[in-house]
Amino acid sequence: AQTVTQSQPEMSVQEAETVTLSCTYDTSESNYYLFWYKQPPSRQMILVIRQEAYKQQNATENRFSVNFQKAAKSFSLKISDSQLGDTAMYFCAFMKLYSSASKIIFGSGTRLSIRP
Amino acid sequence: NAGVTQTPKFRVLKTGQSMTLLCAQDMNHEYMYWYRQDPGMGLRLIHYSVGEGTTAKGEVPDGYNVSRLKKQNFLLGLESAAPSQTSVYFCASSYGRGANQPQHFGDGTRLSIL
Repeated sequence: AQTVTQSQPEMSVQEAETVTLSCTYDTSESNYYLFWYKQPPSRQMILVIRQEAYKQQNATENRFSVNFQKAAKSFSLKISDSQLGDTAMYFCAFMKLYSSASKIIFGSGTRLSIRP
Repeated sequence: NAGVTQTPKFRVLKTGQSMTLLCAQDMNHEYMYWYRQDPGMGLRLIHYSVGEGTTAKGEVPDGYNVSRLKKQNFLLGLESAAPSQTSVYFCASSYGRGANQPQHFGDGTRLSIL
């Protein structure tokens, strides 16, 4: 069975600093997708960035980038120039593809606080 | 744009009571999902649907039933609520299952079972 592990329950950095959130996963699948979701206090789940496993190039979305190491099954999220609005729970997620639908397995989350 | 709307946002039930959570999406998405989120854990998939009239079990389906009579609506039912079902429930929808078609989430329903 697939698992997703986020080993950092909480992190706190100063505004404008760079922070890296770690995520590791376990799977025997060869074709899959990885995501980082953000959940602010408003509780809504917001997609931050996604990565296709077959792509070697790391995904980048403005201040957000990932370090995808397929062999090591690692998928870390780097937030550059952090902002107060980045304060949220961050969930790493693994998506596996079935013939009928996709399913997502979430990690337990990292609570990120950005200090002014 | 409404996106994914969940009704109600909060509810308190007594053990043994029944209720239905409603999820509505206005994006013409084929796929819809129900998750639960418990403290210290990520989302866990309860049931999902790949189209009108279809449903399938996820990771934690026991104690729940679902129906997708209309494409835009996905209902989650608790026939006999138990304290273990106290959780925040999220509905999501997506046009398809590829990574270029991400899931869109509702704002969640906080359900407490006394």
